[in-house]
Amino acid sequence: NAGVTQTPKFQVLKTGQSMTLQCAQDMNHEYMSWYRQDPGMGLRLIHYSVGAGITDQGEVPNGYNVSRSTTEDFPLRLLSAAPSQTSVYFCASSYSITGAANYGYTFGSGTRLTVV
Amino acid sequence: GDSVTQMEGPVTLSEEAFLTINCTYTATGYPSLFWYVQYPGEGLQLLLKATKADDKGSNKGFEATYRKETTSFHLEKGSVQVSDSAVYFCALKEQEGGNTPLVFGKGTRLSVIA
Repeated sequence: NAGVTQTPKFQVLKTGQSMTLQCAQDMNHEYMSWYRQDPGMGLRLIHYSVGAGITDQGEVPNGYNVSRSTTEDFPLRLLSAAPSQTSVYFCASSYSITGAANYGYTFGSGTRLTVV
Repeated sequence: GDSVTQMEGPVTLSEEAFLTINCTYTATGYPSLFWYVQYPGEGLQLLLKATKADDKGSNKGFEATYRKETTSFHLEKGSVQVSDSAVYFCALKEQEGGNTPLVFGKGTRLSVIA
C-alpha cells in the first residue's frame, strides 16, 4: 500500500523552464489537491480535484496548471518557472471531499523545488 | 470564511516537559477538527481528530478536546520526547461544507532538547 507518491523529491529549474510534478495515489481516492509550503506561510492550496475530469482553483493558482484524466494521477504543471515558485510542494488526497470531514487527508512526502 | 489560528512558534521544551499548543477556529458551520504532524523532511501525517463537541482525539500520548464553547482544539502531551520535535498543524473541515477543502493553520514548530 504505497499511499500518495510524489516524484521527483528534489528538482532545480532555471527561470522560464517548464516541468511537471507527479502525484499518484493507489487508494481509489476521489479528491486530490496540491499545496505549497513556504516558511511562515503555512500550507496554501494551489489546485484541487473532486474527481476525474474535474479541477478547480485554490488560493494561489497562478503559474500552475492541472488536469485529472484518471482517478489515480493528478500532475501539477509549472508553465514557465519563476523564483517565486521556489517552495516545497505537497499532494494530498481523500476518499472524497465530503469524506475528508471524517478521515482528513493523506499527504505525499513532498517535492522540494528550487528555481534559479 | 473559515480560519484556524495557532500559537506562534517556535516552542522549545526540555525532554519530559508538558506541552500545550493552542488552536482556535472560526467556522460558519459545524467542523471536524484535526491535528497533523510534520517531521523534518517529510509530509504531513494525521495525528488525531475529533468530529463532534466534547470529543477527545488521542494518539501517541497526544490529546486534544473539541471545545465548541471556546472554539478551541488545543494539543497537549504530558511528557514530550526529543522524537516529538516537528511542526504541528491544526486544521478544520466543515461537515456540511460540500466541496470546501480542509483549512490549515500556519503550523507551530516544536523543538525538544535532551
